[in-house]
Amino acid sequence: NAGVTQTPKFQVLKTGQSMTLQCAQDMNHNSMYWYRQDPGMGLRLIYYSASEGTTDKGEVPNGYNVSRLNKREFSLRLESAAPSQTSVYFCASRQGASDTQYFGPGTRLTVL
Amino acid sequence: AQSVTQLGSHVSVSEGALVLLRCNYSSSVPPYLFWYVQYPNQGLQLLLKYTSAATLVKGINGFEAEFKKSETSFHLTKPSAHMSDAAEYFCAVSDLTGGYNKLIFGAGTRLAVHP
Repeated sequence: NAGVTQTPKFQVLKTGQSMTLQCAQDMNHNSMYWYRQDPGMGLRLIYYSASEGTTDKGEVPNGYNVSRLNKREFSLRLESAAPSQTSVYFCASRQGASDTQYFGPGTRLTVL
Repeated sequence: AQSVTQLGSHVSVSEGALVLLRCNYSSSVPPYLFWYVQYPNQGLQLLLKYTSAATLVKGINGFEAEFKKSETSFHLTKPSAHMSDAAEYFCAVSDLTGGYNKLIFGAGTRLAVHP
């Protein structure tokens, strides 16, 4: 049981490049989330997916797109990376509102 | 919308001293509340959660938190700090606005434990 996995762990991009962050969970959870973590700002929700086939914007969606490929996988795409997107990105999943939310190990992204 | 305020971005205690990390939430309905811990270069893991059962919730590693509706607080405590408790701690509340299931996080409190 791997929980929530993310790839890659580290990535360096140049301004304007694109990339996709991958996330998968093996707990059969309906809901999945993408957060970014910046110093002093806690975790801010980028996008979430309440169930397979649905996605919704969170607090900071600009510059990102997501795909809920199936129940297991939820990817985050940066179409044209900007230095302001330098951050640590976490994927998470959970079942219900009172349930524990499980986090992946994170992707550390630097945009030059 | 829900919000969470963590008082004190940095807290420093001596080993063996009481740990108190403060969290206040805004909610018009009884919330689900969580404390998560993040060790350096790792993801977040659950310490404990309140889901409208007992108001005093016990978690892992000797931590506990008390839900006080009158104060809209959910402060995290540990009677005796250990060096291994040094980490960042996040309080979070479930937000069911619009029928969707999201967690809203506070800005975090970094706990330092010194000998």
